Amino acid sequence: ILNVEQSPQSLHVQEGDSTNFTCSFPSSNFYALHWYRWETAKSPEALFVMTLNGDEKKKERISATLNTKEGYSYLYIKGSQPEDSATYLCAFIPGGSYIPTFGRGTSLIVHP
Amino acid sequence: GAGVSQSPSNKVTEKGKDVELRCDPISGHTALYWYRQSLGQGLEFLIYFQGNSAPDKSGLPSDRFSAERTGGSVSTLTIQRTQQEDSAVYLCASSFLAGTYNEQFFGPGTRLTVL
Repeated sequence: ILNVEQSPQSLHVQEGDSTNFTCSFPSSNFYALHWYRWETAKSPEALFVMTLNGDEKKKERISATLNTKEGYSYLYIKGSQPEDSATYLCAFIPGGSYIPTFGRGTSLIVHP
Repeated sequence: GAGVSQSPSNKVTEKGKDVELRCDPISGHTALYWYRQSLGQGLEFLIYFQGNSAPDKSGLPSDRFSAERTGGSVSTLTIQRTQQEDSAVYLCASSFLAGTYNEQFFGPGTRLTVL
């Protein structure tokens, strides 16, 4: 069983705040790390697919970094908006497997 | 284009009844996954289909759970003799493995409630 941990479990911020959360995963046999956003009543949607140590990805106000040697990824949201409210999931895929192991997610609520 | 679809969106059933959940993946996606999320838990892998290969059933929680994928497209997850602990959101995802590092495209889910 692979250990994929996300922290914090939940987060409340005010509109305009910047925030970040963590996904930790096994530091050996890395293939890929995915971040997904799951809004209430919708399907999880891929944000980033991260594959190389040192990867940095950015989409508008959201960015992510990857450290495969130490086994963590950070997701950053700059200037949070109420529409950013969602659960953010990370999924670790080891080499030789096509089966992702998901963390439990970080629930973000942005208050107007 | 069309995304992953699932039906029904909600299913309420009585304990002991059988249920079938359907997933229609994105056309051309060779990989199909079933997951479930129970209350307060993370996404739990159930089963994985890839092309014509034998499915990876390692995540199925008991022999009451089974799934098939016909013609490499539509998949049905069957739960026999449902129990209250089977209540969860069941998600299907498909993926075009080659060159995408297995990025998953999810359906909207089926919320199963076992009374």
